[in-house]
Amino acid sequence: DAKTTQPPSMDCAEGRAANLPCNHSTISGNEYVYWYRQIHSQGPQYIIHGLKNNETNEMASLIITEDRKSSTLILPHATLRDTAVYYCIVRAGGTSYGKLTFGQGTILTVHP
Amino acid sequence: GAGVSQSPSNKVTEKGKDVELRCDPISGHTALYWYRQSLGQGLEFLIYFQGNSAPDKSGLPSDRFSAERTGGSVSTLTIQRTQQEDSAVYLCASSLSAVSNNSPLHFGNGTRLTVT
Repeated sequence: DAKTTQPPSMDCAEGRAANLPCNHSTISGNEYVYWYRQIHSQGPQYIIHGLKNNETNEMASLIITEDRKSSTLILPHATLRDTAVYYCIVRAGGTSYGKLTFGQGTILTVHP
Repeated sequence: GAGVSQSPSNKVTEKGKDVELRCDPISGHTALYWYRQSLGQGLEFLIYFQGNSAPDKSGLPSDRFSAERTGGSVSTLTIQRTQQEDSAVYLCASSLSAVSNNSPLHFGNGTRLTVT
């Protein structure tokens, strides 16, 4: 799987947008970008994924650069409950699609 | 609808005993995955199933670990002769399909295994 690089931690004020960056400069053409988050004592929660187009769902937006070497997860109005570890993952195709490789992620702290 | 269900949520066992961990995937999901997360560590892939077959067992750490899936639904992860280094949270996930990387995994809340 392509390696991803994320900042170890970020802060955000409640009610403001949280923009979490991810670099994946070695991504291949058929690899998807996935975002998950994990709140203490819970399993990872799926947020969003995309291939090359920007995506939006009820939780977040995913902006992927045209060259696909980086992406940004946007939480439009962060709440205290969004405090979690956020993982950016590049998911391979072929025979490795069953194996997601989780890195260290970004610890997002939303404060009042 | 119901998410991925894992049981038990917590398990304490003595070193040397065998343990079985159970996973009920989301209804209709053909793919099922096992991961583990040790204290302060990232998620480590163990094995995944497409239907009842396991195309990738490469993450199983030793031959003390095995997993099976029957009827394309429930899966059991078995650890024989448990060791203290097996202590971790064991996470199960499922997805509609494992033959595409465009099918998100949905995780359960895990089984916390403590080997004393």
